[in-house]
Amino acid sequence: GAVVSQHPSRVICKSGTSVKIECRSLDFQATTMFWYRQFPKQSLMLMATSNEGSKATYEQGVEKDKFLINHASLTLSTLTVTSAHPEDSSFYICSASRGGITGELFFGEGSRLTVL
Amino acid sequence: ILNVEQSPQSLHVQEGDSTNFTCSFPSSNFYALHWYRWETAKSPKALFVMTLNGDEKKKGRISATLNTKEGYSYLYIKGSQPEDSATYLCAFIPNTGGFKTIFGAGTRLFVKA
Repeated sequence: GAVVSQHPSRVICKSGTSVKIECRSLDFQATTMFWYRQFPKQSLMLMATSNEGSKATYEQGVEKDKFLINHASLTLSTLTVTSAHPEDSSFYICSASRGGITGELFFGEGSRLTVL
Repeated sequence: ILNVEQSPQSLHVQEGDSTNFTCSFPSSNFYALHWYRWETAKSPKALFVMTLNGDEKKKGRISATLNTKEGYSYLYIKGSQPEDSATYLCAFIPNTGGFKTIFGAGTRLFVKA
């Protein structure tokens, strides 16, 4: 149990276009989902916390208008990279919390974004 | 700024070798420490969830210890197998609410048959 699916796994787009990445909890309801970005050989950096039915909480330095997060249902959160530029090329991964007291996270497979 | 450090960054061992990795984290405001195993092209999966100082967890050939007073955790793999090849992530959760998790950069393990 506790499966999180993330799509697409790879996406290549032209500079200036927008890209949407989906994160779905398949067998549980996730009131909270997290979005991370990872640069080569670095740790997962939290971008924002996505809460179902409310606005996402962004980490310092993350542009809200560039990275739009929507958590419209208890099983789906989306990250839209708007007007993408080559510097947005990176690995993005989501995770979901199933509640409880341990804070254990269940991750998607990640999405590799390349902006040409 | 809360920092989680993992060492080594990568490790190459032969099948059958035993190995260990280190995770250092802030010794104050501790809530939990997690170890995740991340195989290539798959999603990270939780190995251990540790919450108490002195915790020792074991799953098959893999075990972990926790020292919250000095801020470190060790992950041990006994008799490494090629299928153990993966990145091992350490994740620290401070007691600031919201389960905001801070990750180390990971230790990448390569086990050669």
